[in-house]
Amino acid sequence: EMQLVESGGGLVQPGGSLRLSCVGSGLLVSDYWMHWVRQAPGKGLVWVSRSNSDGTRTNYADSVKGRFIISRDSAKNTLYLQMNSLRADDTAVYFCARFLVRYDAFDLWGLGTMVTVSS
Amino acid sequence: FELTQPPSVSVSLGQTASITCSGAALSKQYCYWYQKKPGQAPLLVIYKDNERPSWIPDRFSGSSSGTIVTLTITGAQPEDEADYYCQSADNRGPYDLVFGGGTTLTVV
Repeated sequence: EMQLVESGGGLVQPGGSLRLSCVGSGLLVSDYWMHWVRQAPGKGLVWVSRSNSDGTRTNYADSVKGRFIISRDSAKNTLYLQMNSLRADDTAVYFCARFLVRYDAFDLWGLGTMVTVSS
Repeated sequence: FELTQPPSVSVSLGQTASITCSGAALSKQYCYWYQKKPGQAPLLVIYKDNERPSWIPDRFSGSSSGTIVTLTITGAQPEDEADYYCQSADNRGPYDLVFGGGTTLTVV
């Protein structure tokens, strides 16, 4: 069974940093475009970032551009999101998702990891 | 670039529910629908406006007309109660992805 499992969330002070991880099992993360999507408490889904299969092409939502960095480690079958200069409005559950060309959509998601930015 | 959904839709058990998603880019870009239940991962229910993945029951369907895309659930079941999000891509620049605000479907 294919799975994506996120980790690394937690409580961090404003201005702090956190690195999220997304480990794949039953699939090679390096074979796919991968994305991060977040959901603030009581709010909707918001796209955050994406990386092509080898990590050479990345894009970010305007709200995180210059603060977040998406990367991957193929040896560890892991996608990362380095989050710097965190703000209160970054508080959310962060999901990683596989983008499948067959559907031109996200067909596999993790359960998410919660990030809380608060003093 | 925005996608607009009604905040909530209510449907009687076994009846038909329609959830709309509107946005200027939808006349040129495909729309995708995801179901989200609390504590669960989002689930793809419709892709490319009206295609249904194999794991989704055929009571789910999608349609498109101009700048409005519609998710229809024919014969709504209790397990269909969830939040539904449309998603598309900004066709300017780097094709950033955008989600609608979400619609809470209540089956009564």
